[in-house]
Amino acid sequence: GEDVEQSLFLSVREGDSSVINCTYTDSSSTYLYWYKQEPGAGLQLLTYIFSNMDMKQDQRLTVLLNKKDKHLSLRIADTQTGDSAIYFCAERENSGYALNFGKGTSLLVTP
Amino acid sequence: GAVVSQHPSWVICKSGTSVKIECRSLDFQATTMFWYRQFPKQSLMLMATSNEGSKATYEQGVEKDKFLINHASLTLSTLTVTSAHPEDSSFYICSARWAQQGYNEQFFGPGTRLTVL
Repeated sequence: GEDVEQSLFLSVREGDSSVINCTYTDSSSTYLYWYKQEPGAGLQLLTYIFSNMDMKQDQRLTVLLNKKDKHLSLRIADTQTGDSAIYFCAERENSGYALNFGKGTSLLVTP
Repeated sequence: GAVVSQHPSWVICKSGTSVKIECRSLDFQATTMFWYRQFPKQSLMLMATSNEGSKATYEQGVEKDKFLINHASLTLSTLTVTSAHPEDSSFYICSARWAQQGYNEQFFGPGTRLTVL
């Protein structure tokens, strides 16, 4: 499938904002997702954005989409230690429903 | 909300044996389920798409005779790893697609950790 790239690691202090970036190559992607995975657990859908939107905000989460540059970001405001996890960016193929995932960004929140 | 379960959550088996993993959509009907595989510190890789009542569609490089998928009902898909070997050890995650009244989304199971000795 097409490539989805993420930085592998991010460390922030508790209370700061975290920004996790993602780039994708499939210009026909219709939906873009952010999932959270805690150790040994499955995936939790955090939020998603339609490809015709620029921004979506949901409580502490803000998603920005730059379709021209194929760049997606997830901002977590007031990051807490419980936010420590791996965050996956994913895009949905326009031709089907399967998701194409990035390698995940490991977020470490320190006190 | 839509809940997807997997059973077992973890399994240890001997090399050469077969292991069956179940994926169930608990409160919705799923015409399509997906099976992913995740290696440690790696991304999820789609293995196959499972459609109720028809043969699964496998991704390139996935052996269909080794990873048998059955989607016998709208709420159950099974993945059987046949003649398992240590290199099959991995975290297997399923997802189920819920499509109703314009809503179209995938919900993920908690995953099954397979260790082959």
